[in-house]
Amino acid sequence: EPEVTQTPSHQVTQMGQEVILRCVPISNHLYFYWYRQILGQKVEFLVSFYNNEISEKSEIFDDQFSVERPDGSNFTLKIRSTKLEDSAMYFCASSGFSGLNEAFFGQGTRLTVV
Amino acid sequence: QQQVKQSPQSLIVQKGGIPIINCAYENTAFDYFPWYQQFPGKGPALLIAIRPDVSEKKEGRFTISFNKSAKQFSLHIMDSQPGDSATYFCAASKETSGSRLTFGEGTQLTVNP
Repeated sequence: EPEVTQTPSHQVTQMGQEVILRCVPISNHLYFYWYRQILGQKVEFLVSFYNNEISEKSEIFDDQFSVERPDGSNFTLKIRSTKLEDSAMYFCASSGFSGLNEAFFGQGTRLTVV
Repeated sequence: QQQVKQSPQSLIVQKGGIPIINCAYENTAFDYFPWYQQFPGKGPALLIAIRPDVSEKKEGRFTISFNKSAKQFSLHIMDSQPGDSATYFCAASKETSGSRLTFGEGTQLTVNP
C-alpha cells in the first residue's frame, strides 16, 4: 500500500539553527501539506502546495518557514531559525485529484529544539 | 469561524461498548468531514469520512452520523475492542481537492478488556 514517508523520525536541534524536514508523498498525488502537532494538542495546518507553489498557508507559517519540492519525489519543510516553540511533531500529507479531499499522513518527524 | 470543537476529551469504555465522539463546526463552507485515528508515535490515519448530502455513513464497525442543520457530526464505534484504543480526531474542510483540514482537539479513547 502506498504511503507517505518522512525523514528523519526525530531531530534535535539548537535554538537558532536551520532544520529541513523531508517527505516523500504518495507518488501519484498532486497536493502536499505540512501540519504540526504540539505534544498533547490538536493537529494544525501549516501549508499546502500544488503545482510547485504554495496554495494556502496558515498564520503559523511565517517568514521562518519555507517549503520546496526540489525534485519529482521529495517535499521539504525548512525552518530557518528554530525557536523553542517550534518543538512539535511535524506531519507531511498528500492527496490526489480525484475530486475528494482524502489526505494521507506520514509518520511524522519529532522536532525538539533545545 | 474555522474552529471544530470535539468532545469528550477522553473516554473509557469496556470491550463491546459503543463509544460516541461528537464534533461541532461553525463554517458552513465545510463540506467534507473525515475522522482520523492516531496511535502513539504515529501519524493520523484516515478512518472514515462523510459529506453533508447524507446523514449517516457506515464502514465496518465505524459509523458517522451527520446533522447538517445543527452543524454537528459524531463517530460511533460498534463492538469496541482494546485495539481501538487510540486518539480520534474529527476534521472538516471544503471538499475541493487541496483544501486544508481543520482538526478538532482529539479524543483519547481507552477500551478496557
